[in-house]
Amino acid sequence: QLQLQESGPGLVKPSETLSLTCTVSGATISNTSYYWGWIRQPPGKGLEWLGSAHYDGTTFYNPSLKSRLTISVDTSKTQFSLRLTSVTAADTAVFYCARHSSYYDSSGYVKTSPDYWGPGTLVTVSS
Amino acid sequence: SYELTQPPSVSVSPGQTARITCSGDALPQKYAYWYQQKSGLAPVLVIFEDTRRPSGIPLRFSGSSSGTLATLTISGAQVEDEADYYCYSTDNGVNHEAVFGGGTKLTVL
Repeated sequence: QLQLQESGPGLVKPSETLSLTCTVSGATISNTSYYWGWIRQPPGKGLEWLGSAHYDGTTFYNPSLKSRLTISVDTSKTQFSLRLTSVTAADTAVFYCARHSSYYDSSGYVKTSPDYWGPGTLVTVSS
Repeated sequence: SYELTQPPSVSVSPGQTARITCSGDALPQKYAYWYQQKSGLAPVLVIFEDTRRPSGIPLRFSGSSSGTLATLTISGAQVEDEADYYCYSTDNGVNHEAVFGGGTKLTVL
């Protein structure tokens, strides 16, 4: 049974780098059909898709965060990670990791969508 | 940037049909997905690829899509269906811009 679990510091100082890891169990992280990604939810607000990555190195990012965000997959550890640089209080949120299913649209472009989610972890940005 | 628009709230009585809409310019060409999020929990996928239901999701949940509008229908809504519901989709471009709608609070009482 697929399980995902986020881990990382719950408190990050402004201007520093937020780093989270998602550990995957019950599935092969190098399965070509899946991407692995992150979604966040500020307290009391809606969901924001951050990005997804394939084990072959292909990545997709939210354009509003692309300059600060890196998502990578480590097949040796069945983990994937998120790095968000230069954080501010506006980055305070519950961060969810999620497996993403993929398909090719009519133009041949890859599209992905989250299907299984981890329970989430709250990260607060504060000094 | 691409946007999906949902009504902030929908309210029905138990046993009635709840319909939640999601509007987006790329929906005629791109799939819509629907997620249920109960208070304090992670979202759960309830509809994928416009109309398909994952295993374990009750039959009363269904999805449809026509033109720029996708709809989640809960036939015979139950008290336990009270939750926030989010649609998700992608744009038409090569750069894979994916977005969630703003969410709809479903009240069943």
